Formats: sequence, structure tokens, C-alpha cells
Amino acid sequence: AQSVSQHNHHVILSEAASLELGCNYSYGGTVNLFWYVQYPGQHLQLLLKYFSGDPLVKGIKGFEAEFIKSKFSFNLRKPSVQWSDTAEYFCAVNTNNAGNMLTFGGGTRLMVKP
Amino acid sequence: GAGVSQSPSNKVTEKGKDVELRCDPISGHTALYWYRQSLGQGLEFLIYFQGNSAPDKSGLPSDRFSAERTGGSVSTLTIQRTQQEDSAVYLCASSLVGGVPTEQYFGPGTRLTVT
Repeated sequence: AQSVSQHNHHVILSEAASLELGCNYSYGGTVNLFWYVQYPGQHLQLLLKYFSGDPLVKGIKGFEAEFIKSKFSFNLRKPSVQWSDTAEYFCAVNTNNAGNMLTFGGGTRLMVKP
Repeated sequence: GAGVSQSPSNKVTEKGKDVELRCDPISGHTALYWYRQSLGQGLEFLIYFQGNSAPDKSGLPSDRFSAERTGGSVSTLTIQRTQQEDSAVYLCASSLVGGVPTEQYFGPGTRLTVT
């Protein structure tokens, strides 16, 4: 079975700092990769997704992520964070042999100080 | 358009009671998923419905949990004889189709507290 690891459980940054959140998965086959965000009091929303093609994908609100197959990684980046990016971020994977269920990482709580 | 809706938004129940949680997926979405978000376990898959196919129940934690989907639309997750470890936020998601890479849209969740 696949698993997803997010190494940073809590991250605190000042506004305008750069962000990189790590995500690694364990599965040797074809994967579909997602980053979801949960703002305080709101439901999970999709930030970006990778199915195939260009491994550098751009999402909403200036976020991007790079799929590096050799490292089994899909790290999330943003060059300059804003206070409004304070949220919990979840990396998720699904694989072609697991129906369409998502396997989530443990989440990273990001706090951006104004 | 309308997103995934869930009811109730909060449910407090006594240990040993049964509860039913409801999910209304986005209209036209054929795939529906239940997940559970808890402090100790993070976000876990519970069950997946795709059209008229038999559901994938591989994530259900015990036989006290069951779910059904009537008419290919609304789904109900039932937890019998609730235990304190069942306290969590239960999330429903839907997607246009299942079995192919596609985005899942999540509802706001039902926060279940078992006292």
C-alpha cells in the first residue's frame, strides 16, 4: 500500500519569506499527486495537481509543486508567502491500482506572521 | 454552483448510540468518497462509491461502520454503537468520475463527538 510523508508538521514564517513544504510518497508505479489546503474554518480545497506531463505544476494563489520521480517527491513551493496563506496543507496521492481513493500525508500547519 | 454538502455540521452523541451522517455530492458526480480526519490518524479513506458498482469498503475501520448510496446520489454513513475513538471530522468528497485521475471536491465535514 502507498504511504505519504510530510516532514514538516508545523512551519512558522514571516510574510514575504519563501516556502517549501516537503512531500514524499512510497509507491513504485504511476501516481497522481495533489496538494490540498484547509484554511481555518473552511473545507479542503485543491491547490494543484499532477497527473502527467510537465513535472512543474502551477496552482492557485502563486503556489507551485515539482514532481521528482527519482526522489518520489512532490514538494510545494511559494516564493513569497502572505498572512492569508496561514492554513494546513495536505499532500495526497492516488495510484492506478487503488481505485480513486486518496492517501494523505499527515499535513503541515503553516503560520505566517504579519 | 453548489458544492458538496454534509449534515449535520456537528453531532454530539453518547457512547453506544448509533449515528447517521449525510452527504449530498455535487450534481452529476458519479464517484463519492468518505474520509475521516482525526487528531491521531490524520486523514483516512473510509469508503468509495462509483456509479452502480459495489463500493470499495477497504478503509472502514470496523463492522460498526457502514455506508450506502441511494439512487447514485445521496450517501449516508452509519456508525453503530459509537465509541469515543470514533470522535473525528467525517468528510465527504465527490468527483465527476471514478477510476481515472480527477479532482475530488470536499464538503465541510461533520464533526462527531462521542461522550
